[in-house]
Amino acid sequence: KAGVTQTPRYLIKTRGQQVTLSCSPISGHRSVSWYQQTPGQGLQFLFEYFSETQRNKGNFPGRFSGRQFSNSRSEMNVSTLELGDSALYLCASSLGWTQETPLHFGNGTRLTVT
Amino acid sequence: SQQGEEDPQALSIQEGENATMNCSYKTSINNLQWYRQNSGRGLVHLILIRSNEREKHSGRLRVTLDTSKKSSSLLITASRAADTASYFCATNILTGGGNKLTFGTGTQLKVEL
Repeated sequence: KAGVTQTPRYLIKTRGQQVTLSCSPISGHRSVSWYQQTPGQGLQFLFEYFSETQRNKGNFPGRFSGRQFSNSRSEMNVSTLELGDSALYLCASSLGWTQETPLHFGNGTRLTVT
Repeated sequence: SQQGEEDPQALSIQEGENATMNCSYKTSINNLQWYRQNSGRGLVHLILIRSNEREKHSGRLRVTLDTSKKSSSLLITASRAADTASYFCATNILTGGGNKLTFGTGTQLKVEL
């Protein structure tokens, strides 16, 4: 099976712009989660989608949003970018039926905001 | 904010030695998981231990969980250079469903030949 695919791999944006990141989960996985990784704050949970519905949400401002499509692919959007949004954004998929199904991570999108 | 703190922050050992990493967390959990991350890449799931389990093994990995102390440890036996990576513990609390992992700060392990 193909793994979790995230595109693009790298992005450079300017403050104030918006950005959309894409994630294709492993075939058959219905849950997609997003995490932000920075040197200062570490790995932080953004949100989780299951069958096109947001099931869990982290403590991020409303500038961070996401959605999931009927084929389980997911997108994450960040509007009005700030310098502090520079990070590695990781997407993870799982079967999603219980909390005991492990997460499978993609290699991330590295976003740099200048 | 992160729930977990890991200790040590960095660990350097020789190939063949054992590596032990510790994780502490703050609230009641449903399960605790360990992940590995190679530089600049995604995380790989290693092992999951439920809140009602005390010890679990998988290959060269041994995980213990002490819910009374809110702590866990990961032991890697007979380490190899390929084990060089960052290791994170992650806790799952009871929610209405689904995963909402809270990650620790991570331990950077370097295994030298």
